[in-house]
Order: sequence, then C-alpha cells, then structure tokens
Amino acid sequence: KQEVTQIPAALSVPEGENLVLNCSFTDSAIYNLQWFRQDPGKGLTSLLLIQSSQREQTSGRLNASLDKSSGRSTLYIAASQPGDSATYLCAVQDDMRFGAGTRLTVKP
Amino acid sequence: KAGVTQTPRYLIKTRGQQVTLSCSPISGHRSVSWYQQTPGQGLQFLFEYFSETQRNKGNFPGRFSGRQFSNSRSEMNVSTLELGDSALYLCASSLGQDGETQYFGPGTRLLVL
Repeated sequence: KQEVTQIPAALSVPEGENLVLNCSFTDSAIYNLQWFRQDPGKGLTSLLLIQSSQREQTSGRLNASLDKSSGRSTLYIAASQPGDSATYLCAVQDDMRFGAGTRLTVKP
Repeated sequence: KAGVTQTPRYLIKTRGQQVTLSCSPISGHRSVSWYQQTPGQGLQFLFEYFSETQRNKGNFPGRFSGRQFSNSRSEMNVSTLELGDSALYLCASSLGQDGETQYFGPGTRLLVL
C-alpha cells in the first residue's frame, strides 16, 4: 500500500527566503506526482505535475523534482512572498494518494 | 472556460439521513473524481468516473456511491450518514487520460449532526 509523507508539517519563513518542501513515497512504481496548493476552506490548485519519466518541472518561481529510485519529490519555492502562504500537498498518481500537506506561512 | 463547480457549497444533515452532492466538470472533461478531506485523515480518494463508468474506487464503505451522466456531470450520494462523514468533499475533473492534471472544484462542506 502506497504511503505518502510530507515533511515538515508546518513551516514559517520571512518574506524573500527560498524554501524546500519535501514529499516521500514508499512505492516507486508511480505513474506521476502532482503538487497542489490549498488555501483555507478552498479547493486545490494544481501547481506542477511531473510524469514518472521526468525528473523535474518548473513554473515561475516553483521547481519540482522527482527521484523515483529514492521515493522522493521536492518543491522549491524561490523568493517566497506572503501570497505563497497556503497548505502544499503532493499526490502520487497511481490511485491519487495524497500526503498530509505542509502548511506554509510567509511573514512580511 | 468555467472551472469545476460543486453544489451545494455547504450542507447540514443529521445522522441517518442521506445526501447527494453534485459536480459539474470543466467543459470537455470526461473524468470526474471525488475526494473526502477531513482534519484527521487528510485527503482520501473516493472514486473516479469516466464516460459514465466507475473506473477506480477507493477504500470507502458501500454507503458512498456515485454516478456520472452523459454530459459528464457527476453526483455523489452518501446514505445513512454518520458523524464521521462530516468533511469537505472535493471533486476534480480531467480529460481522462492517465497522468493528466486534475482540476479541483471549491468543495462541498458537509456537517452531520
């Protein structure tokens, strides 16, 4: 059974800092991995999707990497802004199993 | 293009009742997936429908069921509600090919008293 873990559970940083969020999974036979953000009480917004054959994807200040052999993905956020404050979730897309998320707070 | 819409947005029910939630996918999307989100269990996959057929199913009891119509709109039904069914129910749509991005609706928040 696939287990997805996200560390840390919460993170608080000052504005402008670069940061890394981690996602690990137990079964490397995944189809792809997707990163989402969720604002309080809202649905999920897709950030990046990495196909299993890819190693990374970039969108603006976001960069996500995937290492299937080690069962890890990281989401790198450059020059963080207060508007980045949200919960970030990763999901392994064989049967869409989600991690518990990392709650990010960026302080002005 | 309009996003995924879910109705109603908020719902209060009592134990033992049943509830039906609705999801309208993005135009042209044929796959609709349903998820339950609770503080204790996080986000859990319920089921996925593609072209009116259930394609995948999560580990939920038979009280949770769904269907999809020919216009790709989907409904989810929960019978004999329990207190533990209180949650945010999210639906997501995609074109339906493996490995595609899913687009989520705002969710329906269900409170069972």
